Amino acid sequence: SQQGEEDPQALSIQEGENATMNCSYKTSINNLQWYRQNSGRGLVHLILIRSNEREKHSGRLRVTLDTSKKSSSLLITASRAADTASYFCALNTGGFKTIFGAGTRLFVKA
Amino acid sequence: DTEVTQTPKHLVMGMTNKKSLKCEQHMGHRAMYWYKQKAKKPPELMFVYSYEKLSINESVPSRFSPECPNSSLLNLHLHALQPEDSALYLCASSQVARLSGANVLTFGAGSRLTVL
Repeated sequence: SQQGEEDPQALSIQEGENATMNCSYKTSINNLQWYRQNSGRGLVHLILIRSNEREKHSGRLRVTLDTSKKSSSLLITASRAADTASYFCALNTGGFKTIFGAGTRLFVKA
Repeated sequence: DTEVTQTPKHLVMGMTNKKSLKCEQHMGHRAMYWYKQKAKKPPELMFVYSYEKLSINESVPSRFSPECPNSSLLNLHLHALQPEDSALYLCASSQVARLSGANVLTFGAGSRLTVL
């Protein structure tokens, strides 16, 4: 399956702590993206990292990509209650096919 | 305008009904997508339209029939659905960036479908 596998499946932390989510995959990719989904709503794009990049930052988000290990991680620093959501990695192998990983449900306690 | 608008937000239909889900975007995106999402699962790709032509059909049953009347609109026609088709149906759009593959998706809020 091209689908990414994410761990942990669920993560509960206190406000102010950092949250790290991991995504592993099996196929070659063109780029890897991370999306957030609040309960039962549409997904929001967070960050994209191309296959020739190793690390990207956007505000409190830091994404790493290790193509040799076929894995990526998303770090959210200084988490807030509003960060409570499901987070999905999404693999693009070229063209229009973007396949989502299983997701990590993050709960940030105030 | 950076929105993808989906209607209706909720839809309940019987197995013999015919209904349609609608999606509209005015961002000038030339690729539009339908995804299906079951509870606590990731979105699953169903169809992709590029320049109003069907580009990808992920072996979706024929009871789901997509249509792209113009570059801003995407429909999903539903007929003879099964209860297991109950899900959140998400529409998305993106610019066409075929070579770089950097198709960043902008999603609508979804249409929650219940099939009785």
